[in-house]
Amino acid sequence: DGGITQSPKYLFRKEGQNVTLSCEQNLNHDAMYWYRQDPGQGLRLIYYSQIVNDFQKGDIAEGYSVSREKKESFPLTVTSAQKNPTAFYLCASSTRGNQPQHFGDGTRLSIL
Amino acid sequence: AQTVTQSQPEMSVQEAETVTLSCTYDTSESDYYLFWYKQPPSRQMILVIRQEAYKQQNATENRFSVNFQKAAKSFSLKISDSQLGDAAMYFCAFPSYNQGGKLIFGQGTELSVKP
Repeated sequence: DGGITQSPKYLFRKEGQNVTLSCEQNLNHDAMYWYRQDPGQGLRLIYYSQIVNDFQKGDIAEGYSVSREKKESFPLTVTSAQKNPTAFYLCASSTRGNQPQHFGDGTRLSIL
Repeated sequence: AQTVTQSQPEMSVQEAETVTLSCTYDTSESDYYLFWYKQPPSRQMILVIRQEAYKQQNATENRFSVNFQKAAKSFSLKISDSQLGDAAMYFCAFPSYNQGGKLIFGQGTELSVKP
């Protein structure tokens, strides 16, 4: 079945550590997105990519980095510069910008 | 500015009854899509229904239907014959015309279903 796979489901970060969240899709979608969800708030865009080897900052990109070396993969790195990383992270993809986005199951990141 | 407003933080419905969740939005675009997503306790984000703005006919997906009022920029979701599995957070959303079509979400409505 086609879909989006995020891993790990739970992740813990130590002080000063960078961690990487994986996102893989087999839907042949061009566009991929990373959102952050905090309790009581809607989703906020971190980064997006519309084509391989190109990506753009979203609304809250500080402290995060991404790469898009393959169409299927869009990993997100939470760097030590992100001082409040505890949140639920959702990866999504779509065929074009105005089409419905399909989401992965998410990764919950916490601080040790 | 493009915004989405869900004015009902929480709603409750009796099993087998009907409930309507409200959503208003603001955009200067004339052609766009609107979506309702469901997020159950598992936190997975699931597309419930979509509406294309240029279509006057309201979208329907089994027990889920919308009341789309383009002039009023209103997009409510009606759930008929509510089931226990419908309990979830519901988000209204539409793709922005910039930032690669990022989804602009409302704050969500938490729906509980009473047996």
